[in-house]
Amino acid sequence: KQEVTQIPAALSVPEGENLVLNCSFTDSAIYNLQWFRQDPGKGLTSLLLIQSSQREQTSGRLNASLDKSSGRSTLYIAASQPGDSATYLCAAFDYKLSFGAGTTVTVRA
Amino acid sequence: GAVVSQHPSWVICKSGTSVKIECRSLDFQATTMFWYRQFPKQSLMLMATSNEGSKATYEQGVEKDKFLINHASLTLSTLTVTSAHPEDSSFYICSAGLPFGEDRVLYEQYFGPGTRLTVT
Repeated sequence: KQEVTQIPAALSVPEGENLVLNCSFTDSAIYNLQWFRQDPGKGLTSLLLIQSSQREQTSGRLNASLDKSSGRSTLYIAASQPGDSATYLCAAFDYKLSFGAGTTVTVRA
Repeated sequence: GAVVSQHPSWVICKSGTSVKIECRSLDFQATTMFWYRQFPKQSLMLMATSNEGSKATYEQGVEKDKFLINHASLTLSTLTVTSAHPEDSSFYICSAGLPFGEDRVLYEQYFGPGTRLTVT
């Protein structure tokens, strides 16, 4: 059974600082890994999807890396802004999506 | 593209009653939809996979008689929580799957905005 872990559970940084969010998964036989953003009481917004054959994906200030062999993915958010405050979830896909519990980010103005 | 809606966005019901949640894919047809439950500060847990025209597949530990799923069309799946109790209070999120890959058994999922259920 796939288990996904996200560390840290919460993170608070001043505006402008770079964010590093970690995700680990136990079974490396995945098709892809996806990062989502969830605002309080809201659904999921897909941020980045990394196929198993890829090492990283970038979108604007966001960059996600994937190391299947070690079972790790990292989401980098450059120059954080207060609007980046949210919970970030990673999910590993191997016929079904297995989610981590998320990292709740607070960016202080 | 790939927009998924849920209705209602929130609902309060009394213990013992049933409540239905709708999940619609607005701009694409989805033969497969997924239902998740999320408790506060916890991860999303897959409850069941809903296939159009056939019975849903439930994850281990999910009571199929309590959480009735119907996928009557290519754009609509419903989840009915029967005889709801306070412990069923949760955030329910659906997703609609677009298949990819040669054998078409893998899905990229597009998520709805979620439904907050409170049972009093």
